[in-house]
Amino acid sequence: GESVGLHLPTLSVQEGDNSIINCAYSNSASDYFIWYKQESGKGPQFIIDIRSNMDKRQGQRVTVLLNKTVKHLSLQIAATQPGDSAVYFCAENPSGAGSYQLTFGKGTKLSVIP
Amino acid sequence: DTAVSQTPKYLVTQMGNDKSIKCEQNLGHDTMYWYKQDSKKFLKIMFSYNNKELIINETVPNRFSPKSPDKAHLNLHINSLELGDSAVYFCASSPYGKGSSYEQYFGPGTRLTVT
Repeated sequence: GESVGLHLPTLSVQEGDNSIINCAYSNSASDYFIWYKQESGKGPQFIIDIRSNMDKRQGQRVTVLLNKTVKHLSLQIAATQPGDSAVYFCAENPSGAGSYQLTFGKGTKLSVIP
Repeated sequence: DTAVSQTPKYLVTQMGNDKSIKCEQNLGHDTMYWYKQDSKKFLKIMFSYNNKELIINETVPNRFSPKSPDKAHLNLHINSLELGDSAVYFCASSPYGKGSSYEQYFGPGTRLTVT
């Protein structure tokens, strides 16, 4: 299940199940979105990105869905594996804030139960 | 080959000291960044810099200053360190310009502990 509060939101899933990590973004003018994975003790790593003229993009075992109407982004991970355990961040590129800046969301910790 | 590297990985120092963190990227990118990640994992942009423009997050104290000797390096200098500066600091780089992917490549981080 998912818990949200003062601590980092955590999602616990059974190995082999699909995971869905959600993100609400703030700027309706944002034209680019990106998901990062951060493993313990490491820097964030790129997973997948999507532009605002798309509503879905698929990668290897991952799918990003974009709903501009409600300013919502989700990351779906198929057949979750123990190596997927990490903190996941969504980020947006707010148009007008500089052509290359990203604003990061708060992050969700994914824990995979073997 | 390491794309974005930072040194040191760990830095423990006392309040009031001045310290530097170094960052180098071998990706040929035009733009580099410094982020601060707090204990709740929130990633906050501090600076973005390319060879033409420095953008400073207005909430960053002026005790923090980026220095770029060349396009491949962006070092972070911190004066008069305070307890609240304890965090993990990440350097990142990206290609510059609209139309490009906005993907940023992150270094491994420097954990700064101020005692």
